[in-house]
Amino acid sequence: KQEVTQIPAALSVPEGENLVLNCSFTDSAIYNLQWFRQDPGKGLTSLLLIQSSQREQTSGRLNASLDKSSGRSTLYIAASQPGDSATYLCAVKETSGSRLTFGEGTQLTVNP
Amino acid sequence: GAGVSQSPSNKVTEKGKDVELRCDPISGHTALYWYRQRLGQGLEFLIYFQGNSAPDKSGLPSDRFSAERTGESVSTLTIQRTQQEDSAVYLCASSLTLTSAYGYTFGSGTRLTVV
Repeated sequence: KQEVTQIPAALSVPEGENLVLNCSFTDSAIYNLQWFRQDPGKGLTSLLLIQSSQREQTSGRLNASLDKSSGRSTLYIAASQPGDSATYLCAVKETSGSRLTFGEGTQLTVNP
Repeated sequence: GAGVSQSPSNKVTEKGKDVELRCDPISGHTALYWYRQRLGQGLEFLIYFQGNSAPDKSGLPSDRFSAERTGESVSTLTIQRTQQEDSAVYLCASSLTLTSAYGYTFGSGTRLTVV
């Protein structure tokens, strides 16, 4: 059974700092990995999707990397802003089965 | 539509009543998921639909929960005889295909409160 773990569970940083969120998964047989952001009381917003054949994806200040063989992904946020405060979730889609498996998320607070 | 639409956005119901939650996926998306998120917790998989294939119901927590989807259209999640532990946000997501290169798009969810 696929298990996804996100570290740290919570992170508080001052504005402007660069930061890294970590995601690990136990079964490397995945189709893709997706990073989402969830604001309090809201649904999920997709940030970046990395296919199993890719190593990284970039969007603005965000960069996500994938090391499938070691079962790890990182989300790098450059020059953090208070508006980045949210919970960040990673999810993997396996090659077998139908479900997305989510981590518990990292709750990020960026202080002005 | 442009995104995944869920209705109602909020629902308060009395314990023991039945509720029906609706999800309108992005037009043309063949894959549709339902997830549940209890307060302060992660996402729990409930059910998955892919085209006309038999759905994966392995995540449904009890026989009080059921879901339907006709073809690639609207899906409804029904909870019978609601209990207080059913209180959660119910999230729907759709994808172009099972292994979509574009990932999955989530709706804003239905917040269910059972009193």
